[in-house]
Amino acid sequence: DVQMTQSPPSLSASLGDRVSFTCRASQNIGGYLNWYQHKPGKAPKLLIYAASRLYSGVPSRFSGSGSGTDFTLTISSLQPEDFATYYCQQSYTTPRTFGQGTKVEVK
Amino acid sequence: QMQLQESGPGLVKPSGTLSLTCAVSGGSISSGHWWSWVRQPPGRGLEWIGEIYHSGGTNYNPSLKSRVTISVDKSKTQFSLELTSVTAADTGVYYCARLQVVPAILFDYWGQGALVTVSS
Repeated sequence: DVQMTQSPPSLSASLGDRVSFTCRASQNIGGYLNWYQHKPGKAPKLLIYAASRLYSGVPSRFSGSGSGTDFTLTISSLQPEDFATYYCQQSYTTPRTFGQGTKVEVK
Repeated sequence: QMQLQESGPGLVKPSGTLSLTCAVSGGSISSGHWWSWVRQPPGRGLEWIGEIYHSGGTNYNPSLKSRVTISVDKSKTQFSLELTSVTAADTGVYYCARLQVVPAILFDYWGQGALVTVSS
């Protein structure tokens, strides 16, 4: 299985901050990496696919980068609705695996 | 707008079978997508369980493969999950989701999730 490791597990930030967090794959997955936002009691939402492509309807303050084994999700200016947990997921092979998540909390 | 909705018992006894159904509306279940189950144990991350194509082809997580069956009912536009011999470790929120494979592989639609507790 491809193991996905996210860091940090959580971070505290303020409105308007630029935040970034990372996802590392246990093997080369090319650009087959997706990012999801998840809030308690809600369905996960796709933000970024293919490492850097913004999904339809997602605000442009979200961006993704990376390839191979190291990937980054950046929120350029944190908004109230962005406090959530973010998961990376590799789409390179089955079993499809997710990272353990990075929780973005209010500072 | 596509919508997915999970349904099924919220409480299952240990050693029993967990059964959930995902109703698909706003689109065809024979659309060329795969239909998936993902779960989240309390306080933990997301775990992919498996997926099915409308023709019946399946992929399962090897860690669960011996206990999992995913099936599709095209006439009812729904697909189902059965997980046998459950233990407390199977407690969690179960999500159904649509897996798009062209032009990229991604989960684009999700249900709201169904909480299943394994307890006597």
